[in-house]
Amino acid sequence: GEDVEQSLFLSVREGDSSVINCTYTDSSSTYLYWYKQEPGAGLQLLTYIFSNMDMKQDQRLTVLLNKKDKHLSLRIADTQTGDSAIYFCAESMGSSASKIIFGSGTRLSIRP
Amino acid sequence: AAGVIQSPRHLIKEKRETATLKCYPIPRHDTVYWYQQGPGQDPQFLISFYEKMQSDKGSIPDRFSAQQFSDYHSELNMSSLELGDSALYFCASSLEGGPEAFFGQGTRLTVV
Repeated sequence: GEDVEQSLFLSVREGDSSVINCTYTDSSSTYLYWYKQEPGAGLQLLTYIFSNMDMKQDQRLTVLLNKKDKHLSLRIADTQTGDSAIYFCAESMGSSASKIIFGSGTRLSIRP
Repeated sequence: AAGVIQSPRHLIKEKRETATLKCYPIPRHDTVYWYQQGPGQDPQFLISFYEKMQSDKGSIPDRFSAQQFSDYHSELNMSSLELGDSALYFCASSLEGGPEAFFGQGTRLTVV
């Protein structure tokens, strides 16, 4: 996606933390999302954050939002082999889950 | 919990043929979205509907049309298929005004 940018690849060792970064351009986005896509599968909504928040934690997942820099990150603690997937950062273009613009996705691979 | 159901899961069509993809949203969800994901690409927004009315339009070709029915299911009609239409087509649903959009498993369309 041209408005949402992510690095394409990330490789981490099993048990370490993974941090996937994203930058977006639309300062009016109300919600920012992280979706997970396993090979040949659909898009699984992992978590989302409201634009007036700066952090959200959900079990092993921590989302950090720096609205000034338009930077979003997803930290996965204790990364497991089942976390191997493509992670898409996305922003909503309206006040709800309206048109969602996706980044190009970060492929996370886990080393033993 | 019930998820978004798409059918068929796989579809093979020849060039210039037509295809119809169906989407059944999560019960009580009133908004549906269609996305197209080409090979190695991020999902691109096509069109959305709220209460049977088109609510937003993205990069949907003129050869494609869609509608939402009174039971909230939606159909994406694709005519004069081209090789470049080969992609994963996702449907998502949400509650109007809500932040969460849940995606189906997708329909993989192959045009030969």
